[in-house]
Amino acid sequence: GDSVTQMEGPVTLSEEAFLTINCTYTATGYPSLFWYVQYPGEGLQLLLKATKADDKGSNKGFEATYRKETTSFHLEKGSVQVSDSAVYFCALSFSGGYNKLIFGAGTRLAVHP
Amino acid sequence: DTAVSQTPKYLVTQMGNDKSIKCEQNLGHDTMYWYKQDSKKFLKIMFSYNNKELIINETVPNRFSPKSPDKAHLNLHINSLELGDSAVYFCASSQTGYSYEQYFGPGTRLTVT
Repeated sequence: GDSVTQMEGPVTLSEEAFLTINCTYTATGYPSLFWYVQYPGEGLQLLLKATKADDKGSNKGFEATYRKETTSFHLEKGSVQVSDSAVYFCALSFSGGYNKLIFGAGTRLAVHP
Repeated sequence: DTAVSQTPKYLVTQMGNDKSIKCEQNLGHDTMYWYKQDSKKFLKIMFSYNNKELIINETVPNRFSPKSPDKAHLNLHINSLELGDSAVYFCASSQTGYSYEQYFGPGTRLTVT
């Protein structure tokens, strides 16, 4: 079945460090890909998305590129801040019909000053 | 203005009780979802309604019964609560055929004692 695999956390970084959170997917067909972020005690917010191969999603300094050949959608940020501390979820969904999100297990990021 | 709201935010109850969680969205979307987040932060779809019609029903015990009185509301009723039902339940909404982006509510933390 369709699935998303994320690197296990927690990821602990110092402020201004470079961030990469790996995400790979298995899917029959060509899904849309998403990164959602969950800050402590809050719901999920869409961080960025890409709907087709080679698309790059970006928001708030975060970027991810849809790589069909490696079935990946790795999240990157050049310089993290303490306020980026949260749980990050990679997810996929299919176009057409009704679009349930299939999530990865989430990666907790902790950024220290 | 809150886009997707849920009530209550916290719910503590004893095993065997029946409880309901309510969700409302003011985004004009036609599709709503319930997701369950377990203690390890793993998120999984439970149900989805499109224009008041049930369209996704994952492997969920019959004790869980969703109801959608109109396309802006989706409620979740749980009978005979069990310890394993303790989780955070998220409501989400989206518009069919448009970017597949889902907007999430703040979650309801259910604790069964």
